[in-house]
Amino acid sequence: QKEVEQNSGPLSVPEGAIASLNCTYSDRVSQSFFWYRQYSGKSPELIMSIYSNGDKEDGRFTAQLNKASQYVSLLIRDSQPSDSATYLCAALSGSARQLTFGSGTQLTVLP
Amino acid sequence: GAVVSQHPSRVICKSGTSVKIECRSLDFQATTMFWYRQFPKQSLMLMATSNEGSKATYEQGVEKDKFLINHASLTLSTLTVTSAHPEDSSFYICSARQSPPDTQYFGPGTRLTVL
Repeated sequence: QKEVEQNSGPLSVPEGAIASLNCTYSDRVSQSFFWYRQYSGKSPELIMSIYSNGDKEDGRFTAQLNKASQYVSLLIRDSQPSDSATYLCAALSGSARQLTFGSGTQLTVLP
Repeated sequence: GAVVSQHPSRVICKSGTSVKIECRSLDFQATTMFWYRQFPKQSLMLMATSNEGSKATYEQGVEKDKFLINHASLTLSTLTVTSAHPEDSSFYICSARQSPPDTQYFGPGTRLTVL
């Protein structure tokens, strides 16, 4: 069974700090990975996609992928209270090209 | 770009009635859309994969006769919850696949409450 696992959290960081969110996946065939942010009562919003080993930066967000270790992470620099949300890691795999989601990590940025 | 809309955003209905939810990709064509359900404090649960012009593929445990999916065009998929019961109350979210790249964008969701 294909699985995506995230550190359970909840995770609290002070405003201005770096928040580090981690994710592992079991399906070695997975090639594409995504981080979504979900505010309470809202639907997921795409933050980052990453397809190649290494780092990908977009503003305050950096996604990291290590296919050998089957590990994906998301770093949020200069965390803001508005970053407080649940972050979902997802892997794309299978002939149906479906997303397998982790259970999410709840992040709270304390002012 | 990559905007997905959903309608209605919220619906309250009586037990036994049917409810239709529309999902539209506004600025791209989506041959594949997905329907998810999310209960409070739980992760997304994929219900079905909707392919334009063909029958939907349902996940194990999802009743295809209860959750009717139609994907009649490249920008519209509908989910009809038939004979809704209180246990069907949930947050229903659709997503549309944009390719290339192979990325899913989510609609804002529909909160269904069955009395």
